[in-house]
Amino acid sequence: GIQVEQSPPDLILQEGANSTLRCNFSDSVNNLQWFHQNPWGQLINLFYIPSGTKQNGRLSATTVATERYSLLYISSSQTTDSGVYFCAVTPHNTDKLIFGTGTRLQVFP
Amino acid sequence: GAGVSQTPSNKVTEKGKYVELRCDPISGHTALYWYRQSLGQGPEFLIYFQGTGAADDSGLPNDRFFAVRPEGSVSTLKIQRTERGDSAVYLCASSQGLRHEQFFGPGTRLTVL
Repeated sequence: GIQVEQSPPDLILQEGANSTLRCNFSDSVNNLQWFHQNPWGQLINLFYIPSGTKQNGRLSATTVATERYSLLYISSSQTTDSGVYFCAVTPHNTDKLIFGTGTRLQVFP
Repeated sequence: GAGVSQTPSNKVTEKGKYVELRCDPISGHTALYWYRQSLGQGPEFLIYFQGTGAADDSGLPNDRFFAVRPEGSVSTLKIQRTERGDSAVYLCASSQGLRHEQFFGPGTRLTVL
């Protein structure tokens, strides 16, 4: 089956720093979503981005479907950005999400 | 409107017991999904419904797990003869239809003693 790998696995930042999270997938996909799982376990939708670039405030994402990767950019990080970031993809001929390995982000004041 | 809701938020049971977990999707969403998340891992797919029918149940680990969605809205995940290895957070998601963005509920934390 499709493999979804995220890097880095762990990231420690000071408040105000910028970061880039990467998601690589091993086969073509229909859809791609980025989530933030907060310390209480809730999965929060960040982007629905099968291709192209989107921005929402301090966050932006780019998916290059032909090269099988997506990037999530976090600018001017805040302590509330802490948590685990997941990308998840929908392979062709199915509608289930396959989640990546996650990036655990800790932002310190 | 309201997001996806799940009840109970926590469930503690003894090995061998039967449990039911409930999911209320976002109003009007026709597709509903169940996932399971173990500690330190990403969610893993169990089953999804389009309307009342199970479109893909390939993620159910064995025949002790079963899910229904009789009226095309609320869904119940049923686990028979629970085992300690079933302990996890069970997540439900819904979407406007197939190939649309999925939105997740807060999950049910199941602990089997």
